[in-house]
Amino acid sequence: AQSVTQLDSQVPVFEEAPVELRCNYSSSVSVYLFWYVQYPNQGLQLLLKYLSGSTLVKGINGFEAEFNKSQTSFHLRKPSVHISDTAEYFCAVSFGFQKLVFGTGTRLLVSP
Amino acid sequence: DAGITQSPRYKITETGRQVTLMCHQTWSHSYMFWYRQDLGHGLRLIYYSAAADITDKGEVPDGYVVSRSKTENFPLTLESATRSQTSVYFCASSEEGQGAGNTIYFGEGSWLTVV
Repeated sequence: AQSVTQLDSQVPVFEEAPVELRCNYSSSVSVYLFWYVQYPNQGLQLLLKYLSGSTLVKGINGFEAEFNKSQTSFHLRKPSVHISDTAEYFCAVSFGFQKLVFGTGTRLLVSP
Repeated sequence: DAGITQSPRYKITETGRQVTLMCHQTWSHSYMFWYRQDLGHGLRLIYYSAAADITDKGEVPDGYVVSRSKTENFPLTLESATRSQTSVYFCASSEEGQGAGNTIYFGEGSWLTVV
């Protein structure tokens, strides 16, 4: 079955600390991978996506993600977070040309 | 650059009433989508439309009706609202479909509470 798993529902972190938000998927077909961010009371916006090529993808606001095909993962990282990074982060996987599936989201809470 | 506009942003309605959530996009994107966001479920696709007068069911279509007479508008109607339809609803659009690496652009959401 095709699925997307974000195991961490909430990740608390102190300002200027590094963070990693985990995303795993299961699929027997080729995939395209996304991270979307949702700031409070707003819609989702694209943070970054992996289509092909280099497995390390850089996005907006200093975030990056690495596609690991053998581990079927697409973890999101930032070396130093800011208060303004507090938001909900959704991993999404496009399975082939048809279906886009969102994970359940990870709430990143950055405190001073 | 208005993008996607949803209205109303906040709505409280009673069980059994009909409710319509409006969605308007200014990009002339072919595809439009309605998602609902619930705690523990992430985003789930309700309906989508590939073009004017072409609509299709998503993952959770029961209890909802859509129409798309014009490319820029994609209203979502709850014919007889139930408490289980209390949720945040997002309208979205894209140039192509939701697959194959295409970026989806989201509106700011409509918070619906059914009492």
